[in-house]
Amino acid sequence: GDSVTQMEGPVTLSEEAFLTINCTYTATGYPSLFWYVQYPGEGLQLLLKATKADDKGSNKGFEATYRKETTSFHLEKGSVQVSDSAVYFCALFMIKAAGNKLTFGGGTRVLVKP
Amino acid sequence: KAGVTQTPRYLIKTRGQQVTLSCSPISGHRSVSWYQQTPGQGLQFLFEYFSETQRNKGNFPGRFSGRQFSNSRSEMNVSTLELGDSALYLCASSLGTSGNVYNEQFFGPGTRLTVL
Repeated sequence: GDSVTQMEGPVTLSEEAFLTINCTYTATGYPSLFWYVQYPGEGLQLLLKATKADDKGSNKGFEATYRKETTSFHLEKGSVQVSDSAVYFCALFMIKAAGNKLTFGGGTRVLVKP
Repeated sequence: KAGVTQTPRYLIKTRGQQVTLSCSPISGHRSVSWYQQTPGQGLQFLFEYFSETQRNKGNFPGRFSGRQFSNSRSEMNVSTLELGDSALYLCASSLGTSGNVYNEQFFGPGTRLTVL
């Protein structure tokens, strides 16, 4: 079945450091890919998305490029802030006959220290 | 526009009891999905309801059930609670109009269930 694998955390960084979170997927077909972020005590928020190969999603300084050849969707940010401390989830959506199901990776906790 | 609301936010139950969680979607959204989040298993899809019908189901035992009302509000029920049911239960709503494109899901803050 469809699956998403992302690097385990926690990832601890200093402010202004470069962040990369690796995400790879397995799917029979061409999924849409997403990064969600979960701040402490809150639900998930969509951070960015890409719906086809070579698309680049970007938001709030974060970027991720849909790489079909490596089945990857790595998240990057050039200069993190303390406010970026959260759990990040990579997810995929496959077009099915019916349904609106997301398949998530295990999540990566990021801690940014001042 | 108000976001997705879930009640209660926190719940403590004992083994063997049953529990009902509620989710009110964003106005105009007809699809409600439920997910279970645990440290060990991560985020797992439970089921999706669209126009009062279950449209998709994850791999959970029959103790987990749900329903959707005509106003799109949804409830999920867990019967005969087990310790392993302790989790954050997240609800997400979307327009859900078609299975051929992704309708963005908006998540609620979750209900934290603790089973003692």
